[in-house]
Amino acid sequence: ETGVTQSPTHLIKTRGQQVTLRCSSQSGHNTVSWYQQALGQGPQFIFQYYREEENGRGNFPPRFSGLQFPNYSSELNVNALELDDSALYLCASSLEGTRFYGYTFGSGTRLTVV
Amino acid sequence: AQKVTQAQTEISVVEKEDVTLDCVYETRDTTYYLFWYKQPPSGELVFLIRRNSFDEQNEISGRYSWNFQKSTSSFNFTITASQVVDSAVYFCALSERGAQKLVFGQGTRLTINP
Repeated sequence: ETGVTQSPTHLIKTRGQQVTLRCSSQSGHNTVSWYQQALGQGPQFIFQYYREEENGRGNFPPRFSGLQFPNYSSELNVNALELDDSALYLCASSLEGTRFYGYTFGSGTRLTVV
Repeated sequence: AQKVTQAQTEISVVEKEDVTLDCVYETRDTTYYLFWYKQPPSGELVFLIRRNSFDEQNEISGRYSWNFQKSTSSFNFTITASQVVDSAVYFCALSERGAQKLVFGQGTRLTINP
């Protein structure tokens, strides 16, 4: 059983709408990263949060934003949804200082934008 | 710039055959980390192995083995006596020291037929 839980598992939104995806990390995992995986592609890094502060960002526009909370949960918010935002969104968590030992990934949220 | 190439998009073999998944990487850093992840149909990325750039020792874990060669920038993964349960998409990933992100290859879809 994975230690990272994501919700919802599936979501359908209309272009232009806003969406919030949620992730619950393992207790003590103070680093969380979000990845976007388009169909047939490898995951792409969106951003990382460490102790509730953004700690790195990939090539994604500002309409992708996030939050990390003290209870090890986090959110990915996407505004003004576009059709190309349709993808599997993966959350990954790790302990401080151990991220190079491998992140723990959730099962993802599959977002479809119509 | 970091880059990971998995040239094999899809591989299909019969159960009990050996299969090797190729991974070639590019990085300018001298300290980096290489990973293999397995993604079953359920979507989560399952951590298989991590290697740092100073450790070229090959590793065997049950039916799995990994061959890391810095001279050719390759980190190949072999499954011996494949089983139907090995069917999944396999990703090779790279992380430079100090970087927050994992850079993934495109993935190799492995199908083991009974």
